[in-house]
Amino acid sequence: DGGITQSPKYLFRKEGQNVTLSCEQNLNHDAMYWYRQDPGQGLRLIYYSQIVNDFQKGDIAEGYSVSREKKESFPLTVTSAQKNPTAFYLCASNPWGTDTQYFGPGTRLTVL
Amino acid sequence: GESVGLHLPTLSVQEGDNSIINCAYSNSASDYFIWYKQESGKGPQFIIDIRSNMDKRQGQRVTVLLNKTVKHLSLQIAATQPGDSAVYFCAENMVAGGTSYGKLTFGQGTILTVHP
Repeated sequence: DGGITQSPKYLFRKEGQNVTLSCEQNLNHDAMYWYRQDPGQGLRLIYYSQIVNDFQKGDIAEGYSVSREKKESFPLTVTSAQKNPTAFYLCASNPWGTDTQYFGPGTRLTVL
Repeated sequence: GESVGLHLPTLSVQEGDNSIINCAYSNSASDYFIWYKQESGKGPQFIIDIRSNMDKRQGQRVTVLLNKTVKHLSLQIAATQPGDSAVYFCAENMVAGGTSYGKLTFGQGTILTVHP
């Protein structure tokens, strides 16, 4: 987990509502990532950001949005357009020019 | 063994045995590989990594072997303990045109269960 925090640990949402997941890091890392994990599956990349005020779509960006206004923060919004949002969401970060990503503890989102 | 795109394999061992977890990677241009351990309900933890200019790297009780010829990666855990029970993921960096974009592609994981 290191210096990466995610909140809340558990989150419940009603269908049709947007919800924002928090990711903060105090490691001074440049790049940050959001992944989605479903039971029995690996991690799939939603969005990533290599520098403040810039971000790129990953493999499954539809129904999600992000912002990167500060180096230490990379919040993820799960919108009502995401058809199947129930999953475990993981945030990661790494310094510029390196490949080793370090993960936060995750947020489990359940849509009721 | 584990491979991107297949269902989750499992490995069951007795405490004190050595464990070997396998991973087949997809991109021959990948030059960096990493193993993560994920306990239930937690984020993945870094275990060990290896660059493509090496074929073996050792850590504390863990060894990673890389065979670039057949695009195969393995994680060996010596004297496996109940605390080693977890899901283990391999990951490769994404390289295109000779450039690593800092992104990783993850395998789907292997469940390791260690019996006392």
